[in-house]
Amino acid sequence: GQQVMQIPQYQHVQEGEDFTTYCNSSTTLSNIQWYKQRPGGHPVFLIQLVKSGEVKKQKRLTFQFGEAKKNSSLHITATQTTDVGTYFCRIIQGAQKLVFGQGTRLTINP
Amino acid sequence: DAGVIQSPRHEVTEMGQEVTLRCKPISGHNSLFWYRQTMMRGLELLIYFNNNVPIDDSGMPEDRFSAKMPNASFSTLKIQPSEPRDSAVYFCASSLGGAGTDTQYFGPGTRLTVL
Repeated sequence: GQQVMQIPQYQHVQEGEDFTTYCNSSTTLSNIQWYKQRPGGHPVFLIQLVKSGEVKKQKRLTFQFGEAKKNSSLHITATQTTDVGTYFCRIIQGAQKLVFGQGTRLTINP
Repeated sequence: DAGVIQSPRHEVTEMGQEVTLRCKPISGHNSLFWYRQTMMRGLELLIYFNNNVPIDDSGMPEDRFSAKMPNASFSTLKIQPSEPRDSAVYFCASSLGGAGTDTQYFGPGTRLTVL
């Protein structure tokens, strides 16, 4: 079935550095969602991308959907300690099966 | 709005015991999801209800797991008998519409430990 590969699995940065996580699928996606989970917390919705080549921004976060709708990225500019957590992408497999990526765990050195 | 409510927040039980996890979705939401999260397997969808009807239960591990949604404001996930490998955080989530494009709102989770 359709799977999603999320990389990297872990990322450690110095505060102020940029961070990027990627989700890649072998098949065309109808949409992709991004979630953030703080340590000890629950996943919280960040954004949904639907259109080919779409770019959306939320303050220091930039989300992109590839032209072929097979990949997506989340970029954080100038990380802050509040950005610590695990970032997940979520796709739809087939008609309605939801699949989450393995997540990228971001840790930050203040 | 109180958000998605789950109980208990923590559960410690012994192998072989029955475990029941409870969830109250956000009022007015038509879809409810049960997820399991472990370090090894990540976040896995177990079952998805729409308008109280199970739509996709292909993620339910085996017959020991069962889920019900008797009405729009309550769902249970039952494990009988429980095994140590069932230890995980179980999340319930709800969304306004179907699974496809709607935002999912997650509850705080139930941390289950089976000894």
